[in-house]
Amino acid sequence: QVTLKESGPVLVKPTETLTLTCTVSGFSLSNARMGVSWIRQPPGKALEWLAHIFSNDEKSYSTSLKSRLTISKDTSKSQVVLTMTNMDPVDTATYYCARIIVGAFTYYFDYWGQGTLVTVSS
Amino acid sequence: SYVLTQPPSVSVAPGKTARITCGGNNIGSKSVHWYQQKPGQAPVLVIYYDSDRPSGIPERFSGSNSGNTATLTISRVEAGDEADYYCQVWDSSSDPVVFGGGTKLTVL
Repeated sequence: QVTLKESGPVLVKPTETLTLTCTVSGFSLSNARMGVSWIRQPPGKALEWLAHIFSNDEKSYSTSLKSRLTISKDTSKSQVVLTMTNMDPVDTATYYCARIIVGAFTYYFDYWGQGTLVTVSS
Repeated sequence: SYVLTQPPSVSVAPGKTARITCGGNNIGSKSVHWYQQKPGQAPVLVIYYDSDRPSGIPERFSGSNSGNTATLTISRVEAGDEADYYCQVWDSSSDPVVFGGGTKLTVL
C-alpha cells in the first residue's frame, strides 16, 4: 500500500524558511522508475508544481521559485524534504507531495499525500 | 513556457455526458494526464497517457488527445463526479510539469 504524508509547520512568519518533509511508504525512493514531486495549491487556486527528485538524485525546480527552493531525499528514512526560503504571505497554500511514475517523455502522479496547509503570517 | 488552457467551469445534468477540454500548442504530440480534486481532498489520477484509466476509476471516465486539444469525457455523470479537474503534461522546454488552470464540474 503506497502512502505519502507531508509534515511541517502550519504557520510561518514572513522571511522565515519553511521546511516540509514527505514520508513515503509502500515503495522505495531508490526505484529508478519513480520519483517524488512537491506541488502546492493556494486557497481557491490551481495546482502549481514546485520541484522533483529522482532515485539518481536528479532534481528540478520551478523556474519562478528556483532561487528559493531546495529538495533532497534520505532514502534510508524514506523521506523527501523541501525547503523554501524567504516565505511571504503569497506562499500560503496547501503543499502536497506526490509519487512520480516515469514514462517515455512524460511523467505523472499516481499517488498524492493528503496535503498540509501552510499559512504565512506575522 | 508551455501553457495549458481549460474552461473555468462546465455544467451538466445527471446522466448526461460532460466534456472537459485542455488546450495547448500541438498537445496531441504529448501525453496528457487528468486529475480529479474534490473539495478539501488531494487530487486523484483519473486518466493517464491520454486515455488509460487507473484501477478503481470507473469506465465512465475516458480521454482523448489530438491536435491542439485533449478532452476528458465523463459519461452518465453522477452527483459524485462534481469536482475540479486538472490536466497535466510533461514539457522539456522549461518547467517539466505543467498543469492546466482547472475546470470546475457542476452537476445540475
